[in-house]
Amino acid sequence: DVVLTQTPVSLLISLGGQASISCRSSQSLVHSNGNTYLHWYLQKPGQSPQLLIYQVSNRFSGIPDRFSGSGSGTDFTLKISRVEPEDLGVYYCLQRTHNPLTFGSGTKLEIK
Amino acid sequence: QVQLKESGPGLVQPSQTLSLTCTVSGFSLTSYGVSWVRQPPGKGLEWMGGIWGDGSTNYNSALKSRLSISRDTSKSQVFLKMNSLQTEDTAIYFCTRDYLYWGQGVMVTVSS
Repeated sequence: DVVLTQTPVSLLISLGGQASISCRSSQSLVHSNGNTYLHWYLQKPGQSPQLLIYQVSNRFSGIPDRFSGSGSGTDFTLKISRVEPEDLGVYYCLQRTHNPLTFGSGTKLEIK
Repeated sequence: QVQLKESGPGLVQPSQTLSLTCTVSGFSLTSYGVSWVRQPPGKGLEWMGGIWGDGSTNYNSALKSRLSISRDTSKSQVFLKMNSLQTEDTAIYFCTRDYLYWGQGVMVTVSS
């Protein structure tokens, strides 16, 4: 199975600051069709995961442009600029290129 | 609108079988697949398996020997059954469509 390693495990960011989360894969996430199925989710306390970014860099509907995704192959990054109180929670990367799909171990974002 | 809701017993005894139901609305189970994802308390997300629009199923190999996913399209329900439960199966169990729409989750505790 593909292992997704997320770093850091936790982040303490001031309001208005910037956060960067890394997701590294044990193998390339480029599908045979040329697409890369690496997505980012936020799970707020007591809630289900919500999709932020799909296929590396595409913001899902309603997601503010403070959230951006980048990367290729095995290395991916989620950046959150101008951090707001509602951004707190645990961020997960998810790969759907290979079966079975797998999640990263999560990065907890706390606000100073 | 698309909705999913999990239901089932909150407490299961060790070695017993877990039965959960995911009741969906806003879409047809013959057109979309539904997957199950679980999350032990304070831990990350684990894909368990899914049933697709054509009725075929796919399971996480780590759970395959204990897990069965089925559906009743006339009732818009997807079922999860997992046997030989142990304490490490204590988790919140989510059903999801496309990993975009998620249920609220149901907490299952395995304890005598």
